[in-house]
Amino acid sequence: NAGVTQTPKFRILKIGQSMTLQCTQDMNHNYMYWYRQDPGMGLKLIYYSVGAGITDKGEVPNGYNVSRSTTEDFPLRLELAAPSQTSVYFCASRRLAGAWRETQYFGPGTRLLVL
Amino acid sequence: KNEVEQSPQNLTAQEGEFITINCSYSVGISALHWLQQHPGGGIVSLFMLSSGKKKHGRLIATINIQEKHSSLHITASHPRDSAVYICAVSRVGSNYQLIWGAGTKLIIKP
Repeated sequence: NAGVTQTPKFRILKIGQSMTLQCTQDMNHNYMYWYRQDPGMGLKLIYYSVGAGITDKGEVPNGYNVSRSTTEDFPLRLELAAPSQTSVYFCASRRLAGAWRETQYFGPGTRLLVL
Repeated sequence: KNEVEQSPQNLTAQEGEFITINCSYSVGISALHWLQQHPGGGIVSLFMLSSGKKKHGRLIATINIQEKHSSLHITASHPRDSAVYICAVSRVGSNYQLIWGAGTKLIIKP
């Protein structure tokens, strides 16, 4: 199993451009998450999904959109990129519903710089 | 005040030393997680605790639910333990989301 994969690893965007961060997991996990991590700060939840076709907002959803058409894929869309979106983005997945009995698996991260 | 506080923020020690990283939280939780973030950025889950103590190799995690406090210990520390250690909690009644601490940056010098 590859686990959780993310592409690209690094990207520079100009203000106002759009892009999609890709996330794929091959563990058949129901739950998937997008986080951002700013320097020296803890992870902030952007969006999450509890299964194909179901998504919901986290703490910091503004400026982002997601979709979950399959169990495996959970892309994050940035529309009209802003310097405040400069961050490292992590995708994660988890198998079971319920009280967090299972470990979260993280992708390697995407480093985004908006200039 | 953050709901999850870690201390210290930064810790530098010599190889072989016993390391303790602390995590305090202010909300009711169903579980507490310790994770490790390597210098390259990858994040790995170390422990999930709801009570007591867990041990894996040289790593030990404890939790005191009454005091809302957890500790991560590293015995016989090694330079390869250098990383950011992150505490996160799952709030009671909120199964989907974790509340994250800011992390403790650990450097072990040879």
